[in-house]
Amino acid sequence: DIQMTQSPSTLSASVGDRVTITCRASQSISKWLAWYQQKPGKAPKVLIYKASTLESGVPSRFSGTGSGTEFTLTISRLQPDDFATYYCQQYNSYSPWTFGQGTKVEI
Amino acid sequence: QVQLVESGGGVVQPGGSLRLSCAASGFNFSNFGMHWVRQAPGKGLEWMAFIRFDGSNKYCADSVKGRFTISRDNSNNTLHLQMESLRREDTATYYCAKEGVQLNWGQGTLVTVSS
Repeated sequence: DIQMTQSPSTLSASVGDRVTITCRASQSISKWLAWYQQKPGKAPKVLIYKASTLESGVPSRFSGTGSGTEFTLTISRLQPDDFATYYCQQYNSYSPWTFGQGTKVEI
Repeated sequence: QVQLVESGGGVVQPGGSLRLSCAASGFNFSNFGMHWVRQAPGKGLEWMAFIRFDGSNKYCADSVKGRFTISRDNSNNTLHLQMESLRREDTATYYCAKEGVQLNWGQGTLVTVSS
């Protein structure tokens, strides 16, 4: 199975900060990577799919880059509603889905 | 718009069984593979199972192989997860999700394995 390594596991930031989370795949997944935001007691919410495509309705301060094995999620100016846990996920067709360990963005 | 609604969760004793369902709407269900993903309390996301669009192939995580079975009913746009020999460590929220370039998830159903 493809392993996903996400960092950091916890990130302390302030409103207005630029925040970057990275995800590394153990082998190439082309652009088959998604980013999720999850708040306590809620289902994961898709932010970005296919590495860089913003899901409809997601604010433009979120962006994703990368291909192959290295990916990043950037929040350009952190807002109060953005404090949450973020996960990356690979969804290569020929492999079971796997997820990063999560990054908790806290004040 | 795509909608996935899970049901069937609840409290079950260790060794017991439970059948989860996922009702799909807003897309051509019979054209898409489907997944189950779970999340134990306070933990990360764990892929559980996948079934191809026509049910011809099924895959399960090693942690549940032989105990969980994924199936689908394309005539009723429904996905199932039959869970047998449940263990305390199976306690989690279970989500169904649609494959594709764009991903869609349900809101989840909570399974608690406890005596």
